[in-house]
Amino acid sequence: DGGITQSPKYLFRKEGQNVTLSCEQNLNHDAMYWYRQDPGQGLRLIYYSQIVNDFQKGDIAEGYSVSREKKESFPLTVTSAQKNPTAFYLCASNTRGNRTDTQYFGPGTRLTVL
Amino acid sequence: AQKITQTQPGMFVQEKEAVTLDCTYDTSDPSYGLFWYKQPSSGEMIFLIYQGSYDQQNATEGRYSLNFQKARKSANLVISASQLGDSAMYFCAMRGSFYQGGKLIFGQGTELSVKP
Repeated sequence: DGGITQSPKYLFRKEGQNVTLSCEQNLNHDAMYWYRQDPGQGLRLIYYSQIVNDFQKGDIAEGYSVSREKKESFPLTVTSAQKNPTAFYLCASNTRGNRTDTQYFGPGTRLTVL
Repeated sequence: AQKITQTQPGMFVQEKEAVTLDCTYDTSDPSYGLFWYKQPSSGEMIFLIYQGSYDQQNATEGRYSLNFQKARKSANLVISASQLGDSAMYFCAMRGSFYQGGKLIFGQGTELSVKP
C-alpha cells in the first residue's frame, strides 16, 4: 500500500538534545513538507522540498533543519536551538505542488521535551 | 498575504442532520485551490474535498459538499446526514501558485461534535 510513514509515533527529548523525526513516502511524490501543530491550532509550515537535494524554509524554520538526499525521505531534525519544541509534527507530500495537487499526510510524531 | 479564517471553534450537530462549517479566505492570487481536511483524535489529517478557483461547479464527495462563493471568498463545508464518526477537528486550507512551493495555509480549525 502506498502512503507516508512517520517514526517514531511518540518522542521524548531532554533539553539541549537534538532529535530527528523520520518521514518516508512511497507515493513517488516530488514535493514533501513538514508542519508543526500546537494544541488547538492549525498547521504551520516548517520546511518544504520540491526536488531532491533542495529545500526551502517555511514560516517557522528557526531551530529546525532538514535534508532531502532521496526522493522518498525527508527527515526533520529538531535542534537544541528550538526554544519550544513540544508539539505534534506532521509530514506531507504531493506530486508537484500545483494548485490541484492533493497533499497527503503521515500519521504524525508527538514530541515532548522533558 | 494569503489567509484562511474559520470562525467557529466548536460546533454541535445531531446525528443524521446536516451541518455547515464556515471558511473564508483572503488572497490576491487569481489561481488557487481550497481543501478541507478532517483530523480525528488520532491526529492524522484526512483529505476530504477540493475546490479550484476556476471550477464552475461546487465540489461534492459523497456526504461532503463545498459551498463555494467566490465573490464572498467563502468555501464552506457541508456534511450531510452526520454520523458519530464525523466527530473530529476540521481544517480549511488554501494553496496558492506553484511558485510558492505548493504549501498549504491552514485555518485554526473547527471542532465538530456529533450527538446521538
